[in-house]
Amino acid sequence: GDSVTQMEGPVTLSEEAFLTINCTYTATGYPSLFWYVQYPGEGLQLLLKATKADDKGSNKGFEATYRKETTSFHLEKGSVQVSDSAVYFCALKGQAGTALIFGKGTTLSVSS
Amino acid sequence: GAVVSQHPSWVICKSGTSVKIECRSLDFQATTMFWYRQFPKQSLMLMATSNEGSKATYEQGVEKDKFLINHASLTLSTLTVTSAHPEDSSFYICSARPGGTGETQYFGPGTRLLVL
Repeated sequence: GDSVTQMEGPVTLSEEAFLTINCTYTATGYPSLFWYVQYPGEGLQLLLKATKADDKGSNKGFEATYRKETTSFHLEKGSVQVSDSAVYFCALKGQAGTALIFGKGTTLSVSS
Repeated sequence: GAVVSQHPSWVICKSGTSVKIECRSLDFQATTMFWYRQFPKQSLMLMATSNEGSKATYEQGVEKDKFLINHASLTLSTLTVTSAHPEDSSFYICSARPGGTGETQYFGPGTRLLVL
């Protein structure tokens, strides 16, 4: 079945460092891909998404490119801030499905 | 933006009792609501999908008689954990999808259940 694998955390960075959180997926056909973020005490929020191969999703300085050849959707940000500290979830929605399939989440901690 | 609330945020109960968790969409009407369960350091696992006014669709392996879902209105869905046992202790998260907006789901902050 469809699945998502993302890098284990926690990831600890200094402010202004470069961030990469790896995410790979297994799915038939052409799934839609998402990154969600969960700030402490809050619900998951959609950060960005891409619905077809080579699409790049971007928001708040974060980017991820849908790479079908490597079945990946890695999250990147050039310069992280303390306020980016949160748990990040990679997710997919299969072509035929309505439900989201999530990775385990990666905790990011940014210090000043 | 669209807000989804859950109540309670934390609940501790004795084994054998039932617990009801509410999920509300505060500023939109949710045609579909989803219930997820999350174990520590694990993915969110979809438990069931409910559409307003109809029976919930449960994922394989989820006991429908144990996890009762009611989506009686366009702004409220409830999950009742019946005869709870310690293995039901988990983090329960709901999400709501407005009608006609495709894939976007809005998530609640979650409810942590501890069964003693």
